[in-house]
Amino acid sequence: GENVEQHPSTLSVQEGDSAVIKCTYSDSASNYFPWYKQELGKRPQLIIDIRSNVGEKKDQRIAVTLNKTAKHFSLHITETQPEDSAVYFCAASPSGKGNQFYFGTGTSLTVIP
Amino acid sequence: DTGVSQDPRHKITKRGQNVTFRCDPISEHNRLYWYRQTLGQGPEFLTYFQNEAQLEKSRLLSDRFSAERPKGSFSTLEIQRTEQGDSAMYLCASRYNHPEQFFGPGTRLTVL
Repeated sequence: GENVEQHPSTLSVQEGDSAVIKCTYSDSASNYFPWYKQELGKRPQLIIDIRSNVGEKKDQRIAVTLNKTAKHFSLHITETQPEDSAVYFCAASPSGKGNQFYFGTGTSLTVIP
Repeated sequence: DTGVSQDPRHKITKRGQNVTFRCDPISEHNRLYWYRQTLGQGPEFLTYFQNEAQLEKSRLLSDRFSAERPKGSFSTLEIQRTEQGDSAMYLCASRYNHPEQFFGPGTRLTVL
């Protein structure tokens, strides 16, 4: 089955700096890669996603890049703000089954004011 | 609130007891997923329904776990003879055609 690895597990940045979180996946059938933000005690919420036919996608301060050949994808947050502090999860979804998500282990991001 | 809802939000039970959780998906969503999340980990897939049919089950779903979606709307997840290792957050998610899954707030289970 699919195996997703995520690094780093914790990340601290100064407000205004950039943050980068990296994930790798194993199943070449995966074709959808969402990123979820989970604040303490709350539900995961989608912040950005990318499909396998696209190499990069950007939404304001957030961008995701995908390298299908290397099977890795990354989340980039620029001009970080304290409200960006949360746990971020990457996921990969193989086609052909129920399109269930296989999640990474999460990155706890702290933005220091 | 038209999002995914789950009930109860918290459940404390003694080892060996049976528990049942409910998930109400977004009304037009025909696909429903159950995940389990333990502290410091990402959600792990348990099972998937398309309408009322259970189409995928993870190896994580032991014989003590059963899920139903009888009318293709709400779903229930039952755990029989609970064990301390079952303590976790149980998340439900739903979607329609777009692959994005919308998550509920979860049911936190504590087995004493």
